[in-house]
Amino acid sequence: GQNIDQPTEMTATEGAIVQINCTYQTSGFNGLFWYQQHAGEAPTFLSYNVLDGLEEKGRFSSFLSRSKGYSYLLLKELQMKDSASYLCAVGAMDTGRRALTFGSGTRLQVQP
Amino acid sequence: GAVVSQHPSRVICKSGTSVKIECRSLDFQATTMFWYRQFPKQSLMLMATSNEGSKATYEQGVEKDKFLINHASLTLSTLTVTSAHPEDSSFYICSARDWKGGASYEQYFGPGTRLTVT
Repeated sequence: GQNIDQPTEMTATEGAIVQINCTYQTSGFNGLFWYQQHAGEAPTFLSYNVLDGLEEKGRFSSFLSRSKGYSYLLLKELQMKDSASYLCAVGAMDTGRRALTFGSGTRLQVQP
Repeated sequence: GAVVSQHPSRVICKSGTSVKIECRSLDFQATTMFWYRQFPKQSLMLMATSNEGSKATYEQGVEKDKFLINHASLTLSTLTVTSAHPEDSSFYICSARDWKGGASYEQYFGPGTRLTVT
C-alpha cells in the first residue's frame, strides 16, 4: 500500500514564499502530483514529477527525491487567492489501476 | 481541452431514495474514470475505478451494491447512490484519464457533486 504524509495546516504572509512538504512510502512509484483545491471545488492540477529534481512553473515549483520518498511544493510571491488546500498524490503500479492515492491535504492560509 | 463535467452539481434527496450522478469527458475519450468521495476538511478517498465496458473495481470498504457504477461509453460514467442515508452526504468527485494517456497517471477532475441526504 501507500502512505502519504503532509502537514495539516500552514499559514503564510502575502508576498512571501511557502514550502509544503510531502513524504511518501510506496512500491512501484510512478510519479507524484500536486493539486490545488479551493473549498467546495474540485482539485486543479499544479505539477507532476516523475524524475528527481525541480520543476518550475511560474510562481509554483515542485521538487522530487525518489530515494528519500520526498517532495515539496514551493509557492512564491504568495497571493490571497493562494489560500486553499494543497494535495499531494502518488501514482503507484501496485494499485493496478493507475489510480492516484492522495495525502490528507495541507490547508494554506495566506494572511495580509 | 481535457474538460470533465458532472451533473448535478448539487442534489438534496430524502433518506431511502436513490440518486444518479453523471460524469462526462467533454473533449476526450476516457477509458478509465475514477469516483472519489470527500468529507469536510478531509482528502479525496477513492471509491472505485470505472473502465468502459467492464465492471467497476471497488476499493475496500465500499459497498458495490450501494454505489452502482456504470461506464457505458468512452465519455460517460454514472454513479448511483442507492437507498441513500444521511451518512452518505458528501462531496462526490469524478475524474477521467485520457485514452491517449498511455502510462500517464494524470487525471482530469470534474467540478464535483454535493449530495445532501435528509
